[in-house]
This record gives sequence, C-alpha cells and structure tokens, in this order.
Amino acid sequence: SQTIHQWPATLVQPVGSPLSLECTVEGTSNPNLYWYRQAAGRGLQLLFYSVGIGQISSEVPQNLSASRPQDRQFILSSKKLLLSDSGFYLCAWRSAYNSPLHFGNGTRLTVT
Amino acid sequence: KNEVEQSPQNLTAQEGEFITINCSYSVGISALHWLQQHPGGGIVSLFMLSSGKKKHGRLIATINIQEKHSSLHITASHPRDSAVYICAVETTSGTYKYIFGTGTRLKVLA
Repeated sequence: SQTIHQWPATLVQPVGSPLSLECTVEGTSNPNLYWYRQAAGRGLQLLFYSVGIGQISSEVPQNLSASRPQDRQFILSSKKLLLSDSGFYLCAWRSAYNSPLHFGNGTRLTVT
Repeated sequence: KNEVEQSPQNLTAQEGEFITINCSYSVGISALHWLQQHPGGGIVSLFMLSSGKKKHGRLIATINIQEKHSSLHITASHPRDSAVYICAVETTSGTYKYIFGTGTRLKVLA
C-alpha cells in the first residue's frame, strides 16, 4: 500500500538558521508531489509542486526552495529562516490528475 | 469573492445530530474533494467526486455539477467527528493545482 512519511513532526528554529524538511512516498512511482503551508487558523497555501524528478514549480517567491532528488523524495529548504516562516507544513502526493490527494502528518515549525 | 466557498464556517452540534456542510464553487471543475483535518493537524482525504453521490460509513457526499454545489453530510454525529472539513476542487484547466475552501470547523458535543 502507499504511504507518505514526513519529518520531523515539530521543529523550533532560531531566525536565520537553515531548514530542511523531508517527505518520502512509498508504494507508488512518479507521484505528483506538493508542499503546502498552513498559518494558524488559515487555509492551505501551495508552496511548491513537482511532477517529476528535478521538476519544481514555485508558487511563492520567498526564501524557501524545494528539491526532488529522487522520484519519491521531496525536500523543502531554506537558507535563513524568517519569523514569518512559522506555520504548519504539509507534504502531499497524488498519483495523477483526478485522483485522491494524500497528506503527510505535517511539520509544525516555530521560528523564534 | 473566493472561487470556493464553504458554509458554515463554524458549526456546533449535539451528538447524534445530522450535519450538513456546503461547498459552492465558481470555476469549471473536473473533481471535487472533501478533506478532514484533525485537531492535531493531519489531513485525511474523505471523498473525491465528479458526479452524483458517494457514501462511506456515516459520511455522504453529493455534488450537483449544474448548480456548482457539493454537500457533505454526517449522519448520527459523534464527538470524534469534531474536525475541520475542507472542500477542494481540481479545475478543468488541467493544472496540478487545487483550489481550497477555508474550511468548516465542526464541534460535536457529547
């Protein structure tokens, strides 16, 4: 069966420090992969999506970046975190257009 | 005006009540999704609809393509149904993006 792993679950980082969040999917190949952010009490904001290895589309031109070094691995990074980067980060995948969207358990990031 | 609107924003019900959450959209869609976000933050996909009606346990989802409206019904509600319910659409433009509603926060009291 297909599963999605996202880690860490919680993270507290100082302003200016780097960030690396990792997401891996098992049991499927060539998934569409997504990174979303949810600020407290708000809806889901799409940050990045990827339809294949090395193919990344960015929705928000901020200090975040994403990479897909392997088919089922999606990484969210930052070189220097800002206070405004605090939030709940969710990785998601789907197998194709018009198929269910599956989410990881999320990472709650607090930048202090 | 948002392209996907949900109502109500907040809903409190007594255990056992029948609950309806509504989603209206203004774009052409190929599919509509209902998601459940638990208090801890995790999101679960409940339904994906392109027409008609689907049922899973006590949950029923319907969609009317002509009226651009979908409903999520919960029969015999239980406190464990307390969560945020999110409607999301895939548009007919064939992109990889979803348009999300802002969610309905449901609290079911024992």
